[in-house]
Amino acid sequence: DTEVTQTPKHLVMGMTNKKSLKCEQHMGHRAMYWYKQKAKKPPELMFVYSYEKLSINESVPSRFSPECPNSSLLNLHLHALQPEDSALYLCASSQDGALLLEKLFFGSGTQLSVL
Amino acid sequence: SQQGEEDPQALSIQEGENATMNCSYKTSINNLQWYRQNSGRGLVHLILIRSNEREKHSGRLRVTLDTSKKSSSLLITASRAADTASYFCATHNTDKLIFGTGTRLQVFP
Repeated sequence: DTEVTQTPKHLVMGMTNKKSLKCEQHMGHRAMYWYKQKAKKPPELMFVYSYEKLSINESVPSRFSPECPNSSLLNLHLHALQPEDSALYLCASSQDGALLLEKLFFGSGTQLSVL
Repeated sequence: SQQGEEDPQALSIQEGENATMNCSYKTSINNLQWYRQNSGRGLVHLILIRSNEREKHSGRLRVTLDTSKKSSSLLITASRAADTASYFCATHNTDKLIFGTGTRLQVFP
């Protein structure tokens, strides 16, 4: 299994809603990432987990809350988002938890719309 | 901004032609990576070249790196319609992987 699976594929939420994005990989990778990508722009790093511990937080607003319950699963909890948070949210993983940011495997993303 | 710049922003070619896209960056790097993204989908890792390497090949892909000029190029030979996608360079420096602005490649059958 060489896939990173993200659910849901599409999500529409209001500004008062609470929702979660889910990401799963079964490649035994020990680093997992959340990226945000606006239309026609490059992906921007949000969070990095290494060996299930948060190792990088790119000064992301607290309305985004990541969670790594185990080595295969990564969640992104969303609360009180703003319309400008609408974007494609990409999860990725890489093999070595100590050697970060090399050869990332990406999921297909969750297209989020905040109304 | 630390973001890399890619040129051209868009490139249209016929099947069978070669496609070359360039990436320039600003800081020292550990390695440089190229990724492909089909419309609205996730990115696919294509190739990684380390800072002490000058050229690397993978199938129809050829990547060069010139650290003195802080630039890299990706050559796709004998392009196919299936190569139509956006291509991003990404520079790795310690704890950051910064994606470039991307090149949108259209290959016409």
